[in-house]
Amino acid sequence: QKEVEQNSGPLSVPEGAIASLNCTYSDRVSQSFFWYRQYSGKSPELIMSIYSNGDKEDGRFTAQLNKASQYVSLLIRDSQPSDSATYLCAVNTNAGKSTFGDGTTLTVKP
Amino acid sequence: NAGVMQNPRHLVRRRGQEARLRCSPMKGHSHVYWYRQLPEEGLKFMVYLQKENIIDESGMPKERFSAEFPKEGPSILRIQQVVRGDSAAYFCASSPRGPLVDEQFFGPGTRLTVL
Repeated sequence: QKEVEQNSGPLSVPEGAIASLNCTYSDRVSQSFFWYRQYSGKSPELIMSIYSNGDKEDGRFTAQLNKASQYVSLLIRDSQPSDSATYLCAVNTNAGKSTFGDGTTLTVKP
Repeated sequence: NAGVMQNPRHLVRRRGQEARLRCSPMKGHSHVYWYRQLPEEGLKFMVYLQKENIIDESGMPKERFSAEFPKEGPSILRIQQVVRGDSAAYFCASSPRGPLVDEQFFGPGTRLTVL
């Protein structure tokens, strides 16, 4: 079992729809959770960080964390073609290691 | 405030040569992380360093790979006797306080091609 698992996709949604990206992790002591976006050929850039159970909203993005279920998700409302990218879930522990999932490729069709 | 800088951006080496990848973290950041990304794959953690110290190197191959972050100067990822399987994008990231509380800021990456 991978430490951080994401559906590889591709996930395709029409413009204006909600895109839902999911991530599960295996290490129960994980404390910090991050979503990064990576365009093809570019470096990752942070979208959202979340540290406690519940929802965190930032513009069109909402991160959801459920530590009991070891599950973190990212919702993108009103999806735009410019949101088409690979989304990486990252999980950090006290030990300092950052573990990334393999990413979910999102395509938003005009 | 300049972002994370990596050089070279592209590096070509022949099998058996050495590759040296450099990373200058953002100003004020003392934590540096190296990742490797193969085509169509996710980021794989290699090593986490804090000025002059290796904190976690659990993702580093046991042989040929080494990393350092000296008191002065950039962090260096060194690959000795490169093989074709080392061809990948190598990303460096930095953070001000540590991975538990901070996002990581990524450099543009060094794309290594081994002929």
